[in-house]
Amino acid sequence: AQKITQTQPGMFVQEKEAVTLDCTYDTSDPSYGLFWYKQPSSGEMIFLIYQGSYDQQNATEGRYSLNFQKARKSANLVISASQLGDSAMYFCAMREGDRDDKIIFGKGTRLHILP
Amino acid sequence: EAQVTQNPRYLITVTGKKLTVTCSQNMNHEYMSWYRQDPGLGLRQIYYSMNVEVTDKGDVPEGYKVSRKEKRNFPLILESPSPNQTSLYFCASSPIPREYRAQYFGPGTRLLVL
Repeated sequence: AQKITQTQPGMFVQEKEAVTLDCTYDTSDPSYGLFWYKQPSSGEMIFLIYQGSYDQQNATEGRYSLNFQKARKSANLVISASQLGDSAMYFCAMREGDRDDKIIFGKGTRLHILP
Repeated sequence: EAQVTQNPRYLITVTGKKLTVTCSQNMNHEYMSWYRQDPGLGLRQIYYSMNVEVTDKGDVPEGYKVSRKEKRNFPLILESPSPNQTSLYFCASSPIPREYRAQYFGPGTRLLVL
């Protein structure tokens, strides 16, 4: 079974609209961390936001926020007021536990922002 | 400037010819990792290292070797490359796992095995 599921292979969104990219995860470990990365067409991986399993509040970084719903095992990325430069591939990732530091990535969502 | 460097950035080789992709970070990070990225599969972890002389397998370690003799360097070795190892490879580093918030990624190495 996939540990990180991103159900949207691709999305088209009008500029200035808000965007929600879905991510669900599967773990039985109470301690874990969730990440979102952006990969523009140039190829580099850019860290966007992090949420720890014990964090009480949803993480926010500028226009990015993480809608963390622990009971549903959901960690959706919300981008407010989208811009053309937000067009990229977005990856959700998870680190499980405190001992095993494997990191598992989802397959990604390609976001296209339309002018 | 804090960074992770990888060399080479692009490599074309033939089946069976041993190659090494170097990775170096200047941030004194304990944790380093290698990933491969393939279309439709996202990034998959090959190996990771929690510190010098400590390495562990990720999800797809077959056909790869790594070593961590120095904190800053984490080379990826393909002893006998095969066409199915054609991929985009990323090296990443971060501070010790319990404190990190994000990994810093290198620019990537595109490998083509003929």
